[in-house]
Amino acid sequence: GENVEQHPSTLSVQEGDSAVIKCTYSDSASNYFPWYKQELGKGPQLIIDIRSNVGEKKDQRIAVTLNKTAKHFSLHITETQPEDSAVYFCAAALSKIIFGSGTRLSIRP
Amino acid sequence: GAVVSQHPSWVICKSGTSVKIECRSLDFQATTMFWYRQFPKQSLMLMATSNEGSKATYEQGVEKDKFLINHASLTLSTLTVTSAHPEDSSFYICSAQKGREDTEAFFGQGTRLTVV
Repeated sequence: GENVEQHPSTLSVQEGDSAVIKCTYSDSASNYFPWYKQELGKGPQLIIDIRSNVGEKKDQRIAVTLNKTAKHFSLHITETQPEDSAVYFCAAALSKIIFGSGTRLSIRP
Repeated sequence: GAVVSQHPSWVICKSGTSVKIECRSLDFQATTMFWYRQFPKQSLMLMATSNEGSKATYEQGVEKDKFLINHASLTLSTLTVTSAHPEDSSFYICSAQKGREDTEAFFGQGTRLTVV
């Protein structure tokens, strides 16, 4: 089955700087790669996603890149703000969504 | 659109009792729903896939007789934790897909189960 690895597990950045989270997946058939933000005690919230026929996607301060050959995908958050502090999960899916281990992002004021 | 609601948000039960958690798609029909479990500071682990009108498919290591899943309609799936024990205490989260060919899933707000 699919296995998703995510790094780093924790990330602390200065407010205004960029944050990058990287993931790899094992099943080359996976074709959907969503990213979720989870706040304490809540369900995951989709923040951006990318499909296998696209290499990059951007939505305001958030961008995702996908390298299908290497089976890598990354989340980039620019101009970070305090409200970006949360746990972020990458995931890969063909028919069911499999999550990475999560990254706890802290934004230092 | 695409709202998924779970009920209850939290529940406390005694060891040995059973607890039912509901997952509803409020504004769309969900042919497939998924149930996840999340322990503190860990990721979401897929427990089972629930298809309307058929038996659920459980992930390896998940006891189907302990975690009963029913997907009786296109808008409702239920997870029943039977004979709950303290080690079943966890955050249970459901998600729903609009169609079998549509991989995008919409997540509920989660249910915190505490077994005492």
